[in-house]
Amino acid sequence: NAGVMQNPRHLVRRRGQEARLRCSPMKGHSHVYWYRQLPEEGLKFMVYLQKENIIDESGMPKERFSAEFPKEGPSILRIQQVVRGDSAAYFCASSPLRIAGGPIVREQFFGPGTRLTVL
Amino acid sequence: DAKTTQPPSMDCAEGRAANLPCNHSTISGNEYVYWYRQIHSQGPQYIIHGLKNNETNEMASLIITEDRKSSTLILPHATLRDTAVYYCIVREKDSGYSTLTFGKGTMLLVSP
Repeated sequence: NAGVMQNPRHLVRRRGQEARLRCSPMKGHSHVYWYRQLPEEGLKFMVYLQKENIIDESGMPKERFSAEFPKEGPSILRIQQVVRGDSAAYFCASSPLRIAGGPIVREQFFGPGTRLTVL
Repeated sequence: DAKTTQPPSMDCAEGRAANLPCNHSTISGNEYVYWYRQIHSQGPQYIIHGLKNNETNEMASLIITEDRKSSTLILPHATLRDTAVYYCIVREKDSGYSTLTFGKGTMLLVSP
């Protein structure tokens, strides 16, 4: 069973360009989460999606950032008009819904990340 | 989610047990303790989680105090590949959605 896949692994953009980051969840997983890790900082939640639905986008910057998880294909995190402050590692995670001994618990499986550098 | 407190860094000799503490004094009854780690330049990796009983899997053991205000992650025989940042996270078992709130974690350095 392949793990969470992200591509590209490294992305270089000039200020003002668009960045598209893709995430393919593990097989059978229907929940996708995006996190951002700025240099020398911890991971911060951005957005949580299920197929064709945004469940929680409380961590997303109000402008220039958007995310989708279509019925078919990977989840996409899109950053328009990138600025230098967008340079970071962007991690995608996925999880199933399953029952383990009673309570519903949710593990998240992380991809290797996309490292975005804005010149 | 409850806040957690971890030491910023710890050292451990290869082959010895690594004991990583975490304080979560404001944890509520329906919150689990989760541990993740992040090896340099990789995505976080789930290690273990528990509610109130001690837990063990192939990676580690989790010891939760009786009052649940603190816990310890134990790597029984640390290897160089266990060098990573370890995150202790407290999280509701069924919050309707399941985001993770990462703190600063503990940087564990395993030395030969």
